Amino acid sequence: GAGVSQSPSNKVTEKGKDVELRCDPISGHTALYWYRQSLGQGLEFLIYFQGNSAPDKSGLPSDRFSAERTGGSVSTLTIQRTQQEDSAVYLCASSLRGAGTMNTEAFFGQGTRLTVV
Amino acid sequence: AQKITQTQPGMFVQEKEAVTLDCTYDTSDQSYGLFWYKQPSSGEMIFLIYQGSYDEQNATEGRYSLNFQKARKSANLVISASQLGDSAMYFCAMSSNNAGNMLTFGGGTRLMVKP
Repeated sequence: GAGVSQSPSNKVTEKGKDVELRCDPISGHTALYWYRQSLGQGLEFLIYFQGNSAPDKSGLPSDRFSAERTGGSVSTLTIQRTQQEDSAVYLCASSLRGAGTMNTEAFFGQGTRLTVV
Repeated sequence: AQKITQTQPGMFVQEKEAVTLDCTYDTSDQSYGLFWYKQPSSGEMIFLIYQGSYDEQNATEGRYSLNFQKARKSANLVISASQLGDSAMYFCAMSSNNAGNMLTFGGGTRLMVKP
Protein backbone atom coordinates (compact mmCIF):
# COMPACT_ATOMS: atom_id res chain seq x y z
CA GLY A 1 0.00 0.00 0.00
CA ALA A 2 0.90 3.63 -0.21
CA GLY A 3 1.25 4.23 3.51
CA VAL A 4 1.51 2.53 6.88
CA SER A 5 -1.65 0.61 7.63
CA GLN A 6 -2.83 -0.30 11.11
CA SER A 7 -5.70 -2.51 12.14
CA PRO A 8 -8.07 -2.38 13.78
CA SER A 9 -8.58 1.37 13.87
CA ASN A 10 -10.61 1.04 17.06
CA LYS A 11 -10.72 -1.76 19.60
CA VAL A 12 -12.83 -2.00 22.74
CA THR A 13 -11.98 -4.91 24.97
CA GLU A 14 -12.82 -6.14 28.42
CA LYS A 15 -10.26 -5.98 31.16
CA GLY A 16 -8.28 -9.20 31.30
CA LYS A 17 -8.65 -10.09 27.63
CA ASP A 18 -5.76 -10.32 25.19
CA VAL A 19 -5.55 -8.05 22.14
CA GLU A 20 -3.47 -8.06 18.98
CA LEU A 21 -2.69 -4.90 17.05
CA ARG A 22 -1.38 -5.15 13.53
CA CYS A 23 0.91 -2.89 11.53
CA ASP A 24 1.65 -3.13 7.80
CA PRO A 25 4.63 -0.88 7.06
CA ILE A 26 5.46 0.76 3.77
CA SER A 27 6.92 -1.83 1.42
CA GLY A 28 10.71 -1.89 1.58
CA HIS A 29 10.98 -0.07 4.89
CA THR A 30 13.37 -1.96 7.14
CA ALA A 31 12.74 -0.02 10.35
CA LEU A 32 9.45 -0.27 12.23
CA TYR A 33 8.46 1.50 15.45
CA TRP A 34 5.63 1.13 17.95
CA TYR A 35 4.58 4.04 20.14
CA ARG A 36 1.80 4.60 22.63
CA GLN A 37 0.04 7.92 23.04
CA SER A 38 -2.31 8.59 25.91
CA LEU A 39 -4.91 11.34 25.58
CA GLY A 40 -3.23 14.73 25.23
CA GLN A 41 0.21 13.29 25.89
CA GLY A 42 3.39 12.80 23.92
CA LEU A 43 4.57 9.62 22.26
CA GLU A 44 5.90 6.86 24.49
CA PHE A 45 8.37 4.60 22.71
CA LEU A 46 7.55 0.91 23.00
CA ILE A 47 9.76 -1.07 20.63
CA TYR A 48 11.80 -0.72 17.47
CA PHE A 49 12.49 -3.34 14.79
CA GLN A 50 15.32 -3.35 12.29
CA GLY A 51 14.29 -6.09 9.91
CA ASN A 52 12.86 -8.87 12.07
CA SER A 53 15.00 -8.18 15.11
CA ALA A 54 14.28 -5.78 17.93
CA PRO A 55 17.51 -4.13 19.14
CA ASP A 56 15.63 -2.27 21.85
CA LYS A 57 12.73 -3.68 23.82
CA SER A 58 13.26 -1.47 26.84
CA GLY A 59 10.16 0.61 26.20
CA LEU A 60 7.69 -2.23 26.67
CA PRO A 61 5.81 -1.29 29.87
CA SER A 62 5.50 -4.80 31.28
CA ASP A 63 5.84 -8.46 30.39
CA ARG A 64 2.20 -8.38 29.30
CA PHE A 65 3.40 -6.57 26.17
CA SER A 66 5.16 -8.36 23.35
CA ALA A 67 5.78 -7.69 19.69
CA GLU A 68 7.04 -9.56 16.71
CA ARG A 69 7.80 -8.88 13.10
CA THR A 70 7.88 -11.49 10.40
CA GLY A 71 9.36 -11.41 6.93
CA GLY A 72 10.71 -7.95 7.59
CA SER A 73 7.22 -6.65 7.02
CA VAL A 74 4.08 -7.02 9.15
CA SER A 75 4.36 -6.50 12.88
CA THR A 76 1.99 -7.50 15.64
CA LEU A 77 1.84 -5.94 19.09
CA THR A 78 0.17 -8.20 21.63
CA ILE A 79 -1.13 -7.10 25.00
CA GLN A 80 -2.08 -9.90 27.34
CA ARG A 81 -4.51 -9.57 30.24
CA THR A 82 -5.33 -5.98 29.34
CA GLN A 83 -5.72 -3.39 32.07
CA GLN A 84 -7.55 -0.08 31.99
CA GLU A 85 -4.26 1.81 32.00
CA ASP A 86 -3.46 0.19 28.66
CA SER A 87 -6.13 2.38 27.05
CA ALA A 88 -4.37 4.64 24.55
CA VAL A 89 -3.71 5.14 20.87
CA TYR A 90 -1.05 2.76 19.61
CA LEU A 91 0.90 4.21 16.71
CA CYS A 92 3.11 2.34 14.30
CA ALA A 93 5.70 3.98 12.06
CA SER A 94 8.16 2.75 9.47
CA SER A 95 11.19 4.24 7.81
CA LEU A 96 13.40 3.22 4.93
CA ARG A 97 16.17 2.45 7.36
CA GLY A 98 16.99 3.44 10.89
CA ALA A 99 16.32 7.11 11.46
CA GLY A 100 19.73 7.82 12.92
CA THR A 101 21.33 9.23 9.84
CA MET A 102 20.34 10.66 6.53
CA ASN A 103 16.89 12.04 5.96
CA THR A 104 15.00 8.92 6.87
CA GLU A 105 11.83 10.28 8.35
CA ALA A 106 9.38 7.85 9.88
CA PHE A 107 5.93 7.57 8.32
CA PHE A 108 3.10 6.93 10.73
CA GLY A 109 -0.07 4.93 10.49
CA GLN A 110 -3.41 6.26 11.68
CA GLY A 111 -3.12 4.35 14.93
CA THR A 112 -5.28 1.90 16.83
CA ARG A 113 -7.41 3.40 19.57
CA LEU A 114 -7.59 0.82 22.34
CA THR A 115 -10.18 1.15 25.07
CA VAL A 116 -10.17 -1.31 27.95
CA VAL A 117 -13.43 -1.38 29.87
CA ALA B 1 20.61 8.28 26.36
CA GLN B 2 18.93 10.94 24.31
CA LYS B 3 16.27 13.33 25.48
CA ILE B 4 14.06 15.93 23.83
CA THR B 5 12.53 18.82 25.76
CA GLN B 6 9.73 21.06 24.56
CA THR B 7 9.08 23.70 27.21
CA GLN B 8 5.95 25.28 25.73
CA PRO B 9 2.84 23.20 26.42
CA GLY B 10 0.69 25.67 24.49
CA MET B 11 1.20 28.64 22.20
CA PHE B 12 -1.09 31.18 20.57
CA VAL B 13 -0.24 33.02 17.37
CA GLN B 14 -2.19 35.49 15.28
CA GLU B 15 -3.02 34.37 11.76
CA LYS B 16 -0.39 35.49 9.21
CA GLU B 17 2.27 36.04 11.88
CA ALA B 18 5.36 33.91 12.44
CA VAL B 19 5.79 31.66 15.45
CA THR B 20 8.74 29.78 16.96
CA LEU B 21 8.31 26.47 18.74
CA ASP B 22 11.18 25.59 21.04
CA CYS B 23 13.03 22.30 21.17
CA THR B 24 16.19 21.41 23.04
CA TYR B 25 17.88 18.05 22.98
CA ASP B 26 20.47 16.15 24.89
CA THR B 27 22.75 13.54 23.41
CA SER B 28 26.37 12.49 23.64
CA ASP B 29 26.39 11.36 20.03
CA GLN B 30 28.07 13.35 17.29
CA SER B 31 25.85 12.06 14.50
CA TYR B 32 22.12 12.46 14.89
CA GLY B 33 19.00 13.63 13.15
CA LEU B 34 16.31 16.03 14.32
CA PHE B 35 12.72 15.91 13.12
CA TRP B 36 9.52 17.88 13.54
CA TYR B 37 6.08 16.34 13.24
CA LYS B 38 2.60 17.88 13.22
CA GLN B 39 -0.38 16.10 14.73
CA PRO B 40 -3.74 17.72 13.93
CA SER B 41 -6.87 16.82 15.88
CA SER B 42 -7.50 13.96 13.47
CA GLY B 43 -4.54 12.19 15.05
CA GLU B 44 -2.23 11.45 12.14
CA MET B 45 1.45 12.29 12.48
CA ILE B 46 2.71 14.40 9.60
CA PHE B 47 6.43 14.79 8.96
CA LEU B 48 7.41 18.43 8.49
CA ILE B 49 11.17 18.89 8.39
CA TYR B 50 14.52 17.22 9.07
CA GLN B 51 17.94 18.50 10.16
CA GLY B 52 21.07 16.39 10.25
CA SER B 53 23.68 17.16 12.85
CA TYR B 54 26.33 17.69 10.19
CA ASP B 55 24.17 19.88 7.99
CA GLU B 56 25.71 23.33 7.94
CA GLN B 57 22.63 25.13 6.71
CA ASN B 58 19.30 25.34 8.48
CA ALA B 59 16.65 23.16 6.89
CA THR B 60 13.68 24.81 5.19
CA GLU B 61 10.50 23.33 3.77
CA GLY B 62 8.03 25.89 2.47
CA ARG B 63 6.74 27.90 5.44
CA TYR B 64 8.71 25.73 7.88
CA SER B 65 12.29 26.35 8.84
CA LEU B 66 14.44 24.81 11.52
CA ASN B 67 16.66 27.13 13.55
CA PHE B 68 19.48 24.72 14.36
CA GLN B 69 21.97 25.91 16.98
CA LYS B 70 24.27 22.98 17.58
CA ALA B 71 26.30 24.49 20.40
CA ARG B 72 23.10 25.25 22.32
CA LYS B 73 21.59 21.89 21.35
CA SER B 74 18.43 23.55 20.15
CA ALA B 75 16.33 22.88 17.07
CA ASN B 76 13.48 25.35 17.09
CA LEU B 77 10.75 25.21 14.46
CA VAL B 78 9.76 28.47 12.83
CA ILE B 79 6.43 28.67 11.04
CA SER B 80 6.03 31.76 8.90
CA ALA B 81 2.71 33.32 7.87
CA SER B 82 0.63 31.14 10.20
CA GLN B 83 -2.62 29.74 8.86
CA LEU B 84 -5.66 28.48 10.73
CA GLY B 85 -4.83 24.98 9.52
CA ASP B 86 -1.55 25.13 11.42
CA SER B 87 -3.45 24.68 14.69
CA ALA B 88 -2.21 21.31 15.95
CA MET B 89 0.21 19.56 18.27
CA TYR B 90 3.83 19.79 17.19
CA PHE B 91 6.43 17.24 18.23
CA CYS B 92 10.19 17.49 18.07
CA ALA B 93 12.07 14.21 17.77
CA MET B 94 15.61 12.95 17.41
CA SER B 95 17.44 9.79 16.55
CA SER B 96 21.04 8.65 16.49
CA ASN B 97 22.97 5.56 15.55
CA ASN B 98 24.35 5.12 19.03
CA ALA B 99 20.84 5.12 20.44
CA GLY B 100 19.98 2.24 18.16
CA ASN B 101 18.17 4.51 15.74
CA MET B 102 15.30 4.85 18.17
CA LEU B 103 13.19 7.89 17.40
CA THR B 104 12.64 9.80 20.66
CA PHE B 105 9.90 12.43 20.93
CA GLY B 106 9.44 15.48 23.10
CA GLY B 107 6.22 16.13 24.99
CA GLY B 108 4.80 18.35 22.28
CA THR B 109 3.53 21.92 21.94
CA ARG B 110 -0.09 22.73 21.16
CA LEU B 111 -0.24 25.62 18.70
CA MET B 112 -3.45 27.57 18.33
CA VAL B 113 -3.77 30.07 15.48
CA LYS B 114 -6.18 32.93 16.13
CA PRO B 115 -8.14 34.47 13.23
